[in-house]
Amino acid sequence: DIQMTQSPSSVSASVGDRVTITCRASQGISSWLAWYQQKPGKAPKLLIYAASSLQSGVPSRFSGSGSGTDFTLTISSLQPEDFATYYCQQANSFPLTFGQGTRLEIK
Amino acid sequence: QVQLVESGGGVVQPGRSLRLSCAASGFTLSSYAMHWVRQAPGKGLEWVAVVSNDGSKKYYADSVKGRLTISRDNSMNTLYLQMNSLRVEDTAVYYCARDVATPPNTAVAGDYWGQGTLVTVSS
Repeated sequence: DIQMTQSPSSVSASVGDRVTITCRASQGISSWLAWYQQKPGKAPKLLIYAASSLQSGVPSRFSGSGSGTDFTLTISSLQPEDFATYYCQQANSFPLTFGQGTRLEIK
Repeated sequence: QVQLVESGGGVVQPGRSLRLSCAASGFTLSSYAMHWVRQAPGKGLEWVAVVSNDGSKKYYADSVKGRLTISRDNSMNTLYLQMNSLRVEDTAVYYCARDVATPPNTAVAGDYWGQGTLVTVSS
């Protein structure tokens, strides 16, 4: 199975900050990577798929990049509603696997 | 608008069975692959299974293979997860999700999710 490792596990930031979250795959996954945002008690929300394709309706301050084994999710200017947990997920091969999550907290 | 509504969760003893349903509306179910994803209390997301748009292909997480079965009835606009030989570690909120991809791709990412249904396995 492909292991997905996110870093950091948690990060504190302020409104307006630029934040980058990293996801590393244990083997190459081409561009088959998605990013989700999850708030407490809610279902995950798709932000990015195919490494860099912005899901419809998602603000442009979210962007994704990378290919192979190393990927990043960048939030260009944090807004109050962005404080949540973020997960990456690979879709290169079955079983699909998620990263352990990155909790984004208010500083 | 796209809606996914899970049902069928509850409290069940270890070794027993349960069937979850996911009612889909607002889109043509037969055009999309569908997933089940779960989240144990206080833990991260775990992918469980996916079924292709026509039901011909199914893939599972190793942790559920042989015990949980995904299926669909496109005529009823419903996705199912039959859960047999349940274990304490199956306790989680179970989400159904539509895949963003269209055939021939089977799985890329979940673009619409239900609100989840809680399954608690306990004696």
